[in-house]
Amino acid sequence: DTGVSQNPRHKITKRGQNVTFRCDPISEHNRLYWYRQTLGQGPEFLTYFQNEAQLEKSRLLSDRFSAERPKGSFSTLEIQRTEQGDSAMYLCASSFGQGANTGELFFGEGSRLTVL
Amino acid sequence: GENVEQHPSTLSVQEGDSAVIKCTYSDSASNYFPWYKQELGKRPQLIIDIRSNVGEKKDQRIAVTLNKTAKHFSLHITETQPEDSAVYFCAATRGTGGFKTIFGAGTRLFVKA
Repeated sequence: DTGVSQNPRHKITKRGQNVTFRCDPISEHNRLYWYRQTLGQGPEFLTYFQNEAQLEKSRLLSDRFSAERPKGSFSTLEIQRTEQGDSAMYLCASSFGQGANTGELFFGEGSRLTVL
Repeated sequence: GENVEQHPSTLSVQEGDSAVIKCTYSDSASNYFPWYKQELGKRPQLIIDIRSNVGEKKDQRIAVTLNKTAKHFSLHITETQPEDSAVYFCAATRGTGGFKTIFGAGTRLFVKA
């Protein structure tokens, strides 16, 4: 296991199209996070999973965004009816946490979305 | 809501000088405070972290301090080197009611040789 992997690395799409990103976390990690990062900004929290359960979703996230982690392993992030404002780097991270203790987040390389 | 504020947004120092980055957080349930370094075009990577039961932690040239009462934490880099140039993010993770990690907006550090 070489770390968190994301694909595709780059996606260019036209406004109104749907896109899906996949994240494969480090295998023993039970927590998986999605973040969005735009140029010059910090990672913005989107949602996170503990095993297969989606425990929290950002209030800033519109209904066009949905994420799944069906078997508690890989996760997908889908954006429907993309808008130009969705253009960003989508980062996935995973960690191993027990109870109230959270460990280091290990990030993937990210999936860069460009909406034309 | 949860918020992490980070200052300064840009910091330029001479090689060998110290650099200090400060953050404040709003969620009193936060109990874990990591710092990440992101080089241009790369993923963020953890450089040091501190838990809420500790006031200070040091790792070679890097140290972090935490004031839980004031909800402040800071990163100190001593004897800076050109390879320290990067964007640094502070973050706060809630320990109860969920484990969301919120990041600051980042500090771009330039170390001039």
